[in-house]
Amino acid sequence: EAGVAQSPRYKIIEKRQSVAFWCNPISGHATLYWYQQILGQGPKLLIQFQNNGVVDDSQLPKDRFSAERLKGVDSTLKIQPAKLEDSAVYLCASSRYRGNTIYFGEGSWLTVV
Amino acid sequence: GQQLNQSPQSMFIQEGEDVSMNCTSSSIFNTWLWYKQDPGEGPVLLIALYKAGELTSNGRLTAQFGITRKDSFLNISASIPSDVGIYFCAGQPGGSQGNLIFGKGTKLSVKP
Repeated sequence: EAGVAQSPRYKIIEKRQSVAFWCNPISGHATLYWYQQILGQGPKLLIQFQNNGVVDDSQLPKDRFSAERLKGVDSTLKIQPAKLEDSAVYLCASSRYRGNTIYFGEGSWLTVV
Repeated sequence: GQQLNQSPQSMFIQEGEDVSMNCTSSSIFNTWLWYKQDPGEGPVLLIALYKAGELTSNGRLTAQFGITRKDSFLNISASIPSDVGIYFCAGQPGGSQGNLIFGKGTKLSVKP
């Protein structure tokens, strides 16, 4: 089966600009996650969706980050305005249900200059 | 928040040697997972553990879910150059919504 698809793979923007990342999870997976991975660290959860509803967004910096999964399939993560410290890999992941094994996409690599 | 302590941070070994890394937590986890991440890629699942005491192998990789549910180890036998990468442990805490808590990773370098 096809894996988790993400785009774009790489993005360079100036601080205060905006950026959006797109994710298409594995077919049939109800749970979708966005993780942020800063260089040299493990991934950290930003937001978790169950179908089109938010399950956990406690670590999402809501003043600048937003995410949606309107039809319960694809998802978009937006950063506006970006800060230098937002430079990281944004990983989308999915699982069939909550508590099932989580599979990751290749990531979207953001550099804010 | 909950944290995982993963060690060692890095390893530099000779091809053919065995490797061992581990993760510990101050709280109980229901699931332990081990991922490998190559440069420029997302984490790829290696082994998933679902029961305390469980010992699971995947080729040259073996991982165990600790009896206390607060630790896990990963062994790689007879390392080869393509084992190079960063290995992450991850756990799903009890009562969680399925979210994973990650360790900081073990960077493995293999000298041919």
